[in-house]
Amino acid sequence: EAGVTQFPSHSVIEKGQTVTLRCDPISGHDNLYWYRRVMGKEIKFLLHFVKESKQDESGMPNNRFLAERTGGTYSTLKVQPAELEDSGVYFCASSPATGSYEQYFGPGTRLTVT
Amino acid sequence: GESVGLHLPTLSVQEGDNSIINCAYSNSASDYFIWYKQESGKGPQFIIDIRSNMDKRQGQRVTVLLNKTVKHLSLQIAATQPGDSAVYFCAEPRMGNTGKLIFGQGTTLQVKP
Repeated sequence: EAGVTQFPSHSVIEKGQTVTLRCDPISGHDNLYWYRRVMGKEIKFLLHFVKESKQDESGMPNNRFLAERTGGTYSTLKVQPAELEDSGVYFCASSPATGSYEQYFGPGTRLTVT
Repeated sequence: GESVGLHLPTLSVQEGDNSIINCAYSNSASDYFIWYKQESGKGPQFIIDIRSNMDKRQGQRVTVLLNKTVKHLSLQIAATQPGDSAVYFCAEPRMGNTGKLIFGQGTTLQVKP
């Protein structure tokens, strides 16, 4: 069974540009989470999808971040326009059931904004 | 606010020694904790979990201890190996219908040969 995949693995962009990160969850997992780790700090929750619906987006930093999960399969996280403080590693995780603590993480996308 | 945190950002141990990684939490109502291991270039991977009705739980070469009195938990790795080098996070799931995880800052474990 394929795990959670993320694309790209690394992205370097200039301040003001736009970047779109993609996450493909494990097949059949209705729950999809986005997290972010800024250099040396904790991994922070961004948002949670149940199928195509946003269940909790309380962790989204501001309106420069837009997450979508059309069709309830893969998800994208767009940052527009990117700022220096957006640099970090963005992780996606999926789980089979809502409220399940069993989350499977992807390898992350390292975003560098210069 | 509520938090989950670790005591040391970096821990360096000799191969073969035991490692102890600590974590403190602030919410006395917390009832479930998870330890994750994140290797370079990979996402966090589940290691072991513990519920608040337990003081200790053992896995393969790993033991988690929970002290509810002082709101502290630790991850012990026996006979540390080079493959144990990684960042270790304690995490606490938020209750309710979201299941989001609240992570501590992470401890980088460096194993010296």
